[in-house]
Amino acid sequence: GQQLNQSPQSMFIQEGEDVSMNCTSSSIFNTWLWYKQDPGEGPVLLIALYKAGELTSNGRLTAQFGITRKDSFLNISASIPSDVGIYFCAGRPSGGSEKLVFGKGMKLTVNP
Amino acid sequence: DGGITQSPKYLFRKEGQNVTLSCEQNLNHDAMYWYRQDPGQGLRLIYYSQIVNDFQKGDIAEGYSVSREKKESFPLTVTSAQKNPTAFYLCASTLLPTENTEAFFGQGTRLTVV
Repeated sequence: GQQLNQSPQSMFIQEGEDVSMNCTSSSIFNTWLWYKQDPGEGPVLLIALYKAGELTSNGRLTAQFGITRKDSFLNISASIPSDVGIYFCAGRPSGGSEKLVFGKGMKLTVNP
Repeated sequence: DGGITQSPKYLFRKEGQNVTLSCEQNLNHDAMYWYRQDPGQGLRLIYYSQIVNDFQKGDIAEGYSVSREKKESFPLTVTSAQKNPTAFYLCASTLLPTENTEAFFGQGTRLTVV
């Protein structure tokens, strides 16, 4: 099945640093979703994007729906230890597909 | 509170056994999904259902079966035909149509073959 290219696959940062991650696709998407997953838990929705160019913030998180509709990025500012986890992007291809496509995730480690 | 609930959280299966994972939602969502998660693999779609008594295979349906007798419930059976069932299983639900909607996930079930 189709998957998104999510990068980087992992990051090790110091507390207080900013982090950025992105997802790209070879086809056009009409929805981008960003999730965070803690170990042994289900993904929790962080930000949802529905319009090309849309820039949305949720506290220290900012995400954008790429203008080409083939990419999205998520930024976390001033990281804290509880930001550790796996961050997934998910997208819904245009054309009426009911199925979400997921990236492989980015594992974030924050050193206090 | 509205949400999506999976049970059990941990499940152990002997070789050759069928096991059923439960997924219940009270969000009044139309569509429900089952995903399998392996380390470094991301989420892979097993089955999904958009309406009661109807469901479609996802990308890795072999060795699995589902039913959708009620809108709120979408149980997944891992059959003995699934050769490598040890994984983390996630259930999700969405409204329909899916345009401008999000998917919400349960807490997951970790299945281990012993």
